[in-house]
Parts: sequence; structure tokens; C-alpha cells
Amino acid sequence: KQEVTQIPAALSVPEGENLVLNCSFTDSAIYNLQWFRQDPGKGLTSLLLIQSSQREQTSGRLNASLDKSSGRSTLYIAASQPGDSATYLCAVSSKTTDSWGKLQFGAGTQVVVTP
Amino acid sequence: EAQVTQNPRYLITVTGKKLTVTCSQNMNHEYMSWYRQDPGLGLRQIYYSMNVEVTDKGDVPEGYKVSRKEKRNFPLILESPSPNQTSLYFCASTPQGPRSEAFFGQGTRLTVV
Repeated sequence: KQEVTQIPAALSVPEGENLVLNCSFTDSAIYNLQWFRQDPGKGLTSLLLIQSSQREQTSGRLNASLDKSSGRSTLYIAASQPGDSATYLCAVSSKTTDSWGKLQFGAGTQVVVTP
Repeated sequence: EAQVTQNPRYLITVTGKKLTVTCSQNMNHEYMSWYRQDPGLGLRQIYYSMNVEVTDKGDVPEGYKVSRKEKRNFPLILESPSPNQTSLYFCASTPQGPRSEAFFGQGTRLTVV
């Protein structure tokens, strides 16, 4: 069964520093991997979607990489701002029968950017 | 604006009183699903629907029902809510099932006392 892990669980950085968030998954038979942002008590905002055939996706200050063979994805946020403070979740959409049709989420990385 | 809309956003109810959480999307997506989010357990899928009249169980379907009579709507029904169903619920939709980007609603905070 697909398992998704995010390290670290929490991260605090000063404003301006680059953020590096990690996501690992156990089964490489995936359709895609998606990064989300969640503010306290709020919904999930999609940040980036990487298809299994892609190595990288970029949107503004965000860049996500995918190494399917090693089961890893990294989200980079350049020049962090206090408004980037949130919990970041990665989710994998798997091809295997027991995980098909659902997103498997990591537990998230809680980010605090201090002014 | 393309969106997934859930109602209500907040709900406090008593044990055993049937309730329905509505979910509607305006993107003509075929695939819709429900998740619950709990501290320490993360997000887990309750049910999903590949198309009208086609639904299937996710990881935690016990105590829930769903229906998909129209493409845009996917209500979540709790026939007899219990305190262990206190949670934050999310509805999601994608245009092409698990192959495409998922869009989530704003969530429904349910408390069962």
C-alpha cells in the first residue's frame, strides 16, 4: 500500500530564506504528485501538479521536482515571506489497485516564516 | 469562477440526528470524492464517484452514504452521526479521475455532541 511521508514535520525560517520541503512515497507506480497549501482551519489550495512523466514544475517562486524512481519530491519556495506560513501537504495518485482512485496524503510540513 | 462549494462550512449537531453536507462543482468534472481530516491521522478518503450513479468506497466509508444523481453534486450523508465523526470534511473534484489535478472545497467543520 502506498505510504507518503513528509519531513520535516515543522520548519521555521527567517523571511527571505529559501524553503525546502520534502515528500517521499513508497510505490513509484503513480499518475502524479500534487502539492497543496493549507491555512489553519481552511481548505486545500493546489500549488503544483507534477505528472509522473515530468521531472519538474514551476509556478512563480515555487518549484517542485519529482524523482519517481527514488520515490521523492521536493518543493522549493524561493525568498520566503511571512505570507508563506502555512501547512504544506503532498499527495500522490497511485496506479496500483489498492490505492487507485484516491489521493494518499503526507502528514504535512508546518512552515513558519518570521519577519 | 471555477470552484468546489461545500455547505455548510460549520455544523454542530447531536448524536443520531441525520445530516447532509452538500458539495457542488461548476467545472463539469466527472470525478468527485470526499475526505476527512483528523489530527494525527491526516486526510483519508471516505467515498468517491467516477461518474453519475457510480460510487465506490474509500478507506473509511463506515457511517457514511453518498449519492451521485447529477454530475455537479455529490452530497455526503450521515444517517446517524456519532462523536467519532467529528472532523473536518473536504469535497474534491477532478476532470479525469486520478490522472488529473484535484480541486478541493473550503471544508466543513462538523462537531457531533
